[in-house]
Amino acid sequence: EPEVTQTPSHQVTQMGQEVILHCVPISNHLYFYWYRQILGQKVEFLVSFYNNEISEKSEIFDDQFSVERPDGSNFTLKIRSTKLEDSAMYFCASKVGGTIDTQYFGPGTRLTVL
Amino acid sequence: RKEVEQDPGPFNVPEGATVAFNCTYSNSASQSFFWYRQDCRKEPKLLMSVYSSGNEDGRFTAQLNRASQYISLLIRDSKLSDSATYLCVVLKGGNQFYFGTGTSLTVIP
Repeated sequence: EPEVTQTPSHQVTQMGQEVILHCVPISNHLYFYWYRQILGQKVEFLVSFYNNEISEKSEIFDDQFSVERPDGSNFTLKIRSTKLEDSAMYFCASKVGGTIDTQYFGPGTRLTVL
Repeated sequence: RKEVEQDPGPFNVPEGATVAFNCTYSNSASQSFFWYRQDCRKEPKLLMSVYSSGNEDGRFTAQLNRASQYISLLIRDSKLSDSATYLCVVLKGGNQFYFGTGTSLTVIP
């Protein structure tokens, strides 16, 4: 069964450093998402991406965040200058689109900012 | 007001019990509704979509009441493997999904 994959599974970084989180969505899916989940809290929407551009973003997704789809398979989330409060689990998700709204999530990248 | 609200629980029920979770959403323009389950430190996994007519998948039944902006999930004959956090998820216009905080369920032998 096709699945969303994410790398790395755990990323440790120093405050102020840039990180790039990687995702490979399911191959025939057209819509891509990033979410974060701070430990013990709810899953929070960051951004959605369709047709090579951001379609929606939340208040959390400020100028330090960016997303890219550099080739036909990868979907990346970059955090330019990490803060302690960026420590969280970051989930990538994708969906086919059209009338099917079901999202499928990757296993997540745990980001720890020291 | 929060977009999606759930009772966080925890719900502790014996094996074989029936348990129901509720969820309310604030925006009447919301268009699609889902229940996901999340195991500790894992990704959310789709349990079922929720349709206006109500839908059932084995031991799980989901209901949607658009007039009351209310979604429910009923689990019959609870198994130990049902222990997880159940997330109510709402798609509001376009492409933005909102998650509830989740309801924690522990099924006790």
